[in-house]
Amino acid sequence: NAGVTQTPKFRVLKTGQSMTLLCAQDMNHEYMYWYRQDPGMGLRLIHYSVGEGTTAKGEVPDGYNVSRLKKQNFLLGLESAAPSQTSVYFCASSYSTGFEQFFGPGTRLTVL
Amino acid sequence: DQQVKQNSPSLSVQEGRISILNCDYTNSMFDYFLWYKKYPAEGPTFLISISSIKDKNEDGRFTVFLNKSAKHLSLHIVPSQPGDSAVYFCAASAGAGKSTFGDGTTLTVKP
Repeated sequence: NAGVTQTPKFRVLKTGQSMTLLCAQDMNHEYMYWYRQDPGMGLRLIHYSVGEGTTAKGEVPDGYNVSRLKKQNFLLGLESAAPSQTSVYFCASSYSTGFEQFFGPGTRLTVL
Repeated sequence: DQQVKQNSPSLSVQEGRISILNCDYTNSMFDYFLWYKKYPAEGPTFLISISSIKDKNEDGRFTVFLNKSAKHLSLHIVPSQPGDSAVYFCAASAGAGKSTFGDGTTLTVKP
């Protein structure tokens, strides 16, 4: 039981490049989330999904897109990376009836 | 407008003493509150939670207190141990699903 896994762990991009971050969970959770954490700040919700095939915007969605084609996977895409997107990205999942979220280890992204 | 605030960025306590971490919220729709613990280079992990129908929840060395009228909650760790040194995030939810997080408090427990 791996819990929540994230790929890759680290990535360096140049401004304007694109990339996709992959999140996978093996707990059969309905809900999945993408957060970013900047230094000295809390977790800010980018996008979330309440089930396979659904997505919704969070607090800071601009510059990001997401897809949830399979229940166990939640993808976060950056179409044209900007230095302001340098951050640590965390994926999380939860039961639909629960409050506790289970987090992945994070992806550290640097945009030059 | 930040709905969940942790006003102390850092806290340092001696091993064996009590650690008290505070959190304030503004949204009266929040009905469930959680504390997460985060070590460097890891994701946050759930620590303890409390429903708005309660004013106290205890789990071993960890106790969370909720004061709804003041829109304030606190996490008490007794006794504090060096392994408790981490960043602690307060989070609040209005229904199952999304949570709003505070900015975190870095706790350092000195041996």
